[in-house]
Amino acid sequence: GAGVSQSPSNKVTEKGKDVELRCDPISGHTALYWYRQSLGQGLEFLIYFQGNSAPDKSGLPSDRFSAERTGGSVSTLTIQRTQQEDSAVYLCASSLGKGGNQPQHFGDGTRLSIL
Amino acid sequence: RKEVEQDPGPFNVPEGATVAFNCTYSNSASQSFFWYRQDCRKEPKLLMSVYSSGNEDGRFTAQLNRASQYISLLIRDSKLSDSATYLCVVNTDDMRFGAGTRLTVKP
Repeated sequence: GAGVSQSPSNKVTEKGKDVELRCDPISGHTALYWYRQSLGQGLEFLIYFQGNSAPDKSGLPSDRFSAERTGGSVSTLTIQRTQQEDSAVYLCASSLGKGGNQPQHFGDGTRLSIL
Repeated sequence: RKEVEQDPGPFNVPEGATVAFNCTYSNSASQSFFWYRQDCRKEPKLLMSVYSSGNEDGRFTAQLNRASQYISLLIRDSKLSDSATYLCVVNTDDMRFGAGTRLTVKP
């Protein structure tokens, strides 16, 4: 498809389990972002990848959160030992690059529910 | 101070009304600016970019004031379908989103 693809669309898991969320950006987009959005809240920045540069991890809420971007394309966000407060929609976005007038394009998100 | 701040809302307006949202940003080096729209339980979608000279797209007008570090969005002749949350986005080294302003247009 032409858009940003995220999987799974929904994930329900028990507290303490690890989860992996996947994002497939638009082809050719060098910048990739992960955000978290709790119900009725704004977007919380998590991590940003730009090309081969070291990622900006400044938004990750704890060391249970990590993300990789392999080959400059697909990215995986991993949450270890999930907690109930991790329940949220996790949104991925990509753009042609940082700077200039490069808007982000979002995937549909993964709705994560921790029981 | 947050990097991007928006009117908290919510805004409840009748159809046909004109409504304006403001957004302020803290980093004077910010390079580009956008308004996004987010419908309930959906992902944000680009509404329009904001250019220094101001720009218009149908009923929507966006303006930028670099000296005062704010951007605005004006919606004229509002429609029921305009009901959504409007997000201000500022791009410096990376994108920073405002918390959003919720708009409800009522019949």
